[in-house]
Amino acid sequence: GAVVSQHPSWVICKSGTSVKIECRSLDFQATTMFWYRQFPKQSLMLMATSNEGSKATYEQGVEKDKFLINHASLTLSTLTVTSAHPEDSSFYICSARDGQSTYEQYFGPGTRLTVT
Amino acid sequence: KQEVTQIPAALSVPEGENLVLNCSFTDSAIYNLQWFRQDPGKGLTSLLLIQSSQREQTSGRLNASLDKSSGRSTLYIAASQPGDSATYLCAVRSTGNQFYFGTGTSLTVIP
Repeated sequence: GAVVSQHPSWVICKSGTSVKIECRSLDFQATTMFWYRQFPKQSLMLMATSNEGSKATYEQGVEKDKFLINHASLTLSTLTVTSAHPEDSSFYICSARDGQSTYEQYFGPGTRLTVT
Repeated sequence: KQEVTQIPAALSVPEGENLVLNCSFTDSAIYNLQWFRQDPGKGLTSLLLIQSSQREQTSGRLNASLDKSSGRSTLYIAASQPGDSATYLCAVRSTGNQFYFGTGTSLTVIP
């Protein structure tokens, strides 16, 4: 089946630094990728939608200058958390939509971010 | 905006019992509905996917139903096992490709 990977699986960074999370579709081309955030004991909330080669669309309340999304190729999207703060600590999950065959979405395993 | 609700929020049952998890959504204009399992600190495992034109899907001990007109879905787990303990998430995919997730049901199966 289709596989989506995320790297790193977990990361610890200091306040004020930036951290980049990668989302890759391993065996299909993803024209659209989605980034979700999950706080402890809460459900997943969509942060933004990224389409290959164009600017991401952010959900209301998500700061686009803080959460930079780049979808430069059909198999890779990156989320950069800039000037991270402890309140950004969360579980970040991406999903990728197969734009050529199944048109289904597949979820990555998630990245645990802890900001100290 | 689509809103997805799951009841109950938590459930504890003895091993071997059959159980039902409920999911309701406010907008019936959906592309599909998917049930996921999430273990603590882990990502999502897809369990069952029901297209908007389907009424139910089955996989092993799991059966999911969809009543789009009433905005409801149920996940039936037969003969529960301790390994079934996890959080179960219902997610509705809109026609615009976006997923809306429910708040989840935390299931504990007691040996």
